[in-house]
Amino acid sequence: GAVVSQHPSWVICKSGTSVKIECRSLDFQATTMFWYRQFPKQSLMLMATSNEGSKATYEQGVEKDKFLINHASLTLSTLTVTSAHPEDSSFYICSARPQVLRTDTQYFGPGTRLTVL
Amino acid sequence: AQKITQTQPGMFVQEKEAVTLDCTYDTSDQSYGLFWYKQPSSGEMIFLIYQGSYDEQNATEGRYSLNFQKARKSANLVISASQLGDSAMYFCAMREGRAGNNRKLIWGLGTSLAVNP
Repeated sequence: GAVVSQHPSWVICKSGTSVKIECRSLDFQATTMFWYRQFPKQSLMLMATSNEGSKATYEQGVEKDKFLINHASLTLSTLTVTSAHPEDSSFYICSARPQVLRTDTQYFGPGTRLTVL
Repeated sequence: AQKITQTQPGMFVQEKEAVTLDCTYDTSDQSYGLFWYKQPSSGEMIFLIYQGSYDEQNATEGRYSLNFQKARKSANLVISASQLGDSAMYFCAMREGRAGNNRKLIWGLGTSLAVNP
């Protein structure tokens, strides 16, 4: 149980294009999902908390207009990197918190490696 | 000040031996939760074990156990009978306050574990 999928697993795009990353909880409902960014050999950096049916909460320093988050259902959240530039190249990973758990355990997707040329 | 401190950037262990990965935390909350995650080179984050601040017994999950010393504010992960597949990055994380309310996790910088055959 507690499986989270993420799509695509890797993407290469040209500078200036937008990229959408999907995060799905496959066997549970998640009112809350989280989006992280991870640089090589570093820890996770929380970008935003995604709440179903409401606006995402962004961490300080994360551009809302750059990283658009939509949590349209209890099993799907999307992150769109708009007008991507080479500095946006990174590993993006999402997590979901099952509604029924009382511990706030987050289950993670396999991540998306974004390369912007 | 760091809220989660993992003092060992890298660790080596011989296959079949036990290894302890250190984690100390800093919080003034009485209610909190502590998590350990494993991140293999593939990038996925795998939930290993959870310890609540009010849990009287140390958490165990198969070969993983959490050595919880509340007074010392430490939550060390013990892996028994190490296997080659245990080679990965290990992250300690903390939830401050009671579970729920979309609380985010605070992450340590991680420990890289290498299991030698």
